Amino acid sequence: DQQVKQNSPSLSVQEGRISILNCDYTNSMFDYFLWYKKYPAEGPTFLISISSIKDKNEDGRFTVFLNKSAKHLSLHIVPSQPGDSAVYFCAASADGNQFYFGTGTSLTVIP
Amino acid sequence: EAGVTQFPSHSVIEKGQTVTLRCDPISGHDNLYWYRRVMGKEIKFLLHFVKESKQDESGMPNNRFLAERTGGTYSTLKVQPAELEDSGVYFCASSQGGGIVGYEQYFGPGTRLTVT
Repeated sequence: DQQVKQNSPSLSVQEGRISILNCDYTNSMFDYFLWYKKYPAEGPTFLISISSIKDKNEDGRFTVFLNKSAKHLSLHIVPSQPGDSAVYFCAASADGNQFYFGTGTSLTVIP
Repeated sequence: EAGVTQFPSHSVIEKGQTVTLRCDPISGHDNLYWYRRVMGKEIKFLLHFVKESKQDESGMPNNRFLAERTGGTYSTLKVQPAELEDSGVYFCASSQGGGIVGYEQYFGPGTRLTVT
């Protein structure tokens, strides 16, 4: 049974607008969360992280929000750029080592 | 700083044959992980090394898979004998350490394994 779920397989956004990617998890023991971006035929590239002691972490155009009570996290990209088009994975872990990944959301930013 | 490297990038073998995948982590990263992605599904954890020691191999599918990290540097993952369901992309990742600081894992480009 999947412990991390990304229920939107795809998302299209106009260039310059905000992209919001969502992720839900079931294990209340998860304390560490990562977002990755993946281009075809490449490995996942680390984007941004957050631990359970925070509810928000920002890095440039990328912000991750964590709602522990709802077991939900989201990645906001603003403004979205065509180069952001990729598959985005969220991942969660209880110990900072074994991470459980979602199935990914394919983001398309339309110029 | 060099990233995580993996070799080969692609491997096509017949059922019953043996394949060995190699991963070189980022220099200085004691933690090394193997993951697998099958048929566009989620990326699944296989195992975790701290230096040369296996910390967690709970994700290894069965005893046809053998991972080693001699000397605590590069790691190999051997599949013997390979079965059709072993096909997928095998990723290696490394990190400075678990816990609040340094838990971010950096992935290699993956090895695409096809068993025919």
